[in-house]
Amino acid sequence: DAKTTQPNSMESNEEEPVHLPCNHSTISGTDYIHWYRQLPSQGPEYVIHGLTSNVNNRMASLAIAEDRKSSTLILHRATLRDAAVYYCILVYNQGGKLIFGQGTELSVKP
Amino acid sequence: NAGVTQTPKFQVLKTGQSMTLQCAQDMNHNSMYWYRQDPGMGLRLIYYSASEGTTDKGEVPNGYNVSRLNKREFSLRLESAAPSQTSVYFCASQGLFSSGNTIYFGEGSWLTVV
Repeated sequence: DAKTTQPNSMESNEEEPVHLPCNHSTISGTDYIHWYRQLPSQGPEYVIHGLTSNVNNRMASLAIAEDRKSSTLILHRATLRDAAVYYCILVYNQGGKLIFGQGTELSVKP
Repeated sequence: NAGVTQTPKFQVLKTGQSMTLQCAQDMNHNSMYWYRQDPGMGLRLIYYSASEGTTDKGEVPNGYNVSRLNKREFSLRLESAAPSQTSVYFCASQGLFSSGNTIYFGEGSWLTVV
């Protein structure tokens, strides 16, 4: 299974941008890159996903490297409510199944 | 629009007891999933149903059975609960079984087996 590598934890200050990195060097051409986040005691929540091009939505931006071996989730202005574990997941020839790694625990300081 | 609803939210079982976790979605989604999450870990896939009438094993299916009752409902059954099945269980659904589609999760069911 294609794997992703993320830092275990990151810190940010409130109202500053946050860049969460993800390495996926074994990605193949049909793999989608998904990001989910999980707030304490809640189910995972969809953030964003993409295939090749950068993507923007109301929650975040996803920057995908040209070779697709890495990607970065960008939160433009972190808030205290963004403190969560962020999971970078490759979804590929298994249809819609998500294979979760450890994720990055983001803490946001006021 | 409730999304994905799981019941019960909390349950304590004795070793050897059986129980069923219920899951329903009101988004007319084709695919449904059951995941478990142990403390400090990411979610692991137990079973999934790519479409109504089909079910398949995920990463950790041992000790569980599932039923896709209809398009809305997907239940997870523990026939003889074991302490190793103490976990948080999440049901999820997806419009179509596709790598490019978003998956929506329920709020979780906390299960303790003593």
